[in-house]
Amino acid sequence: NAGVMQNPRHLVRRRGQEARLRCSPMKGHSHVYWYRQLPEEGLKFMVYLQKENIIDESGMPKERFSAEFPKEGPSILRIQQVVRGDSAAYFCATERGLNEKLFFGSGTQLSVL
Amino acid sequence: DQQVKQNSPSLSVQEGRISILNCDYTNSMFDYFLWYKKYPAEGPTFLISISSIKDKNEDGRFTVFLNKSAKHLSLHIVPSQPGDSAVYFCAASGKTQGGSEKLVFGKGTKLTVNP
Repeated sequence: NAGVMQNPRHLVRRRGQEARLRCSPMKGHSHVYWYRQLPEEGLKFMVYLQKENIIDESGMPKERFSAEFPKEGPSILRIQQVVRGDSAAYFCATERGLNEKLFFGSGTQLSVL
Repeated sequence: DQQVKQNSPSLSVQEGRISILNCDYTNSMFDYFLWYKKYPAEGPTFLISISSIKDKNEDGRFTVFLNKSAKHLSLHIVPSQPGDSAVYFCAASGKTQGGSEKLVFGKGTKLTVNP
């Protein structure tokens, strides 16, 4: 896990607010994946990004969710108008290149009140 | 649709004995399988993997067995140690609907190794 930084570790939002989750990849890693873990569930793929490009967002809910990985700075997972069902642990994972080993961050625990 | 299934949510073993964690999958297109270990409040960490062209891979106390015909894999830990207590996720590599490779995870098995 060392090197993949996610913040904040815990995020509390009220229904209707926006949540922004950040992921800074390991040095040299240009591929970022976001996964969501609902209570009592496994990790579910959401989106795969490379620098400035969304490669695969087939796991993202169609509304309210968006992700970016700008040329400079961390990858951002943005959830607009959060609802209680968005409460989950959100993990970012990065790899140096395609099909190389994934390294996970410690996750952001989102709680929606 | 749960393509990767870990049917035992928890497992408890004595220190020094063998731990066997099981995983079944449904998608015959999966060609690479991994086990991740997760401690509370941490992200998953890679433990061991196996390619579909092999039926066994060993790394120290950890061995993964793959039975392609049964679409089943298992992780053996021997001897088990209290520090092995964690949630173990089985994952398989397969194509997403968007065409990229991604990991599909099971729900995890919580292993408790008692001293």
